[in-house]
Amino acid sequence: QVQLQESGPGLVKPSETLSLTCVVSGYSSSSAYYWGWIRQPPGKGLEWIGSIYHSGSTFYNPSLKSRVTISIDTSKNQFSLKLSSVTAADTAVYYCASQRSIYSYMDVWGKGTTVTVSS
Amino acid sequence: EIVLTQSPGTLSLSPGERATLSCRASQSVSSNYLAWYQQKPGQAPRLLIYGTSSRAPGIPDRFSGSGSGTDFTLTISRLEPEDFAVYYCQQYGNSPSTFGGGTKVEIK
Repeated sequence: QVQLQESGPGLVKPSETLSLTCVVSGYSSSSAYYWGWIRQPPGKGLEWIGSIYHSGSTFYNPSLKSRVTISIDTSKNQFSLKLSSVTAADTAVYYCASQRSIYSYMDVWGKGTTVTVSS
Repeated sequence: EIVLTQSPGTLSLSPGERATLSCRASQSVSSNYLAWYQQKPGQAPRLLIYGTSSRAPGIPDRFSGSGSGTDFTLTISRLEPEDFAVYYCQQYGNSPSTFGGGTKVEIK
């Protein structure tokens, strides 16, 4: 059974870079799965940020593409999100999730981690 | 990108009643790749339905999905107390994948 766990700073200053990691357990991140990031601002809906394949191929939401980098470390069974030049609008709960392909639903989700952008 | 509009925004029903949730897409969803998720306060979304009508493992058969093209429906045949939550639809047939704004099912 795949389990995902997000971690990272809960508070980031404006204009800085948000960095989060998702540790995969119960499954190898080097297997043929996609690993994605989704966020949810307070009281709002869900937004797909981007996804990465085990080979390192990445797919980003065009609305965030200029600021997003997703990477994978299969030796540590984890993948990461970096979002640069953050503003208060980036305050959200950030989830990692697994997908069977890039055109796929998210079948397993982490519990989420709250990131607040504030000085 | 495809915009998904969910209606109603809030559905007030009693346990045992039938819930019908709508998700309308701004353009046709490729291969009817439409999923539904349930989210309770403080929790991550949980996959209920994928491919418009296939139930995820462990999901009770009171949950069913239907539709095609631009109009999709999630039906909960008889509401149980644990079904009161927010429901989101997601299309994943066209990039970028997008989610609807959610429908809250609350106890009347």
